[in-house]
Amino acid sequence: GQQVMQIPQYQHVQEGEDFTTYCNSSTTLSNIQWYKQRPGGHPVFLIQLVKSGEVKKQKRLTFQFGEAKKNSSLHITATQTTDVGTYFCAGLRAGGTSYGKLTFGQGTILTVHP
Amino acid sequence: DGGITQSPKYLFRKEGQNVTLSCEQNLNHDAMYWYRQDPGQGLRLIYYSQIVNDFQKGDIAEGYSVSREKKESFPLTVTSAQKNPTAFYLCASSAPRAGGSTDTQYFGPGTRLTVL
Repeated sequence: GQQVMQIPQYQHVQEGEDFTTYCNSSTTLSNIQWYKQRPGGHPVFLIQLVKSGEVKKQKRLTFQFGEAKKNSSLHITATQTTDVGTYFCAGLRAGGTSYGKLTFGQGTILTVHP
Repeated sequence: DGGITQSPKYLFRKEGQNVTLSCEQNLNHDAMYWYRQDPGQGLRLIYYSQIVNDFQKGDIAEGYSVSREKKESFPLTVTSAQKNPTAFYLCASSAPRAGGSTDTQYFGPGTRLTVL
């Protein structure tokens, strides 16, 4: 079955440092979504990427979708303590019949030290 | 105020008992999902439903059952056959787009189930 691997599992940074998490799928994706889960909370949608090579920005967050549509990354510039949480990628398999069925990566737990 | 509600937030049960987790949404979404999250783990799909009176097994359906009698409701039963039921359970809904694409999934606050 489809697998989505996400690295690193944990990342500890000092406030102001940059952070990147990477997502790799075993199969070509139709699209990929990113979610953030604050400690004790539930996942909240951040963004969706659909096109090959697509790059989207949300303030200090930059999201990329690979040319082959099998990998993606999330980069945070100058982290703040409010960025703490777990970041998940979730992919929809291209050409699949599982309508709307996302496969989630394991998540990257980000800790920001003030 | 639209959204997804899950109740209760914390649930304790004795081993061998079935327990049903509630999930209700007023977003008018067709699709609903149940995920399980273990500490330090990602989200694993238990069951999903694209439309009323229809549902499909996800990746870890064994020991769980669901029903979808109403568009707004998608309750999950954790049966005694589930060998390791203690986990954080998340319900989500989405409004799938035509052509096989997928829309944002909106998550409920979750139910933390502990089996003693």
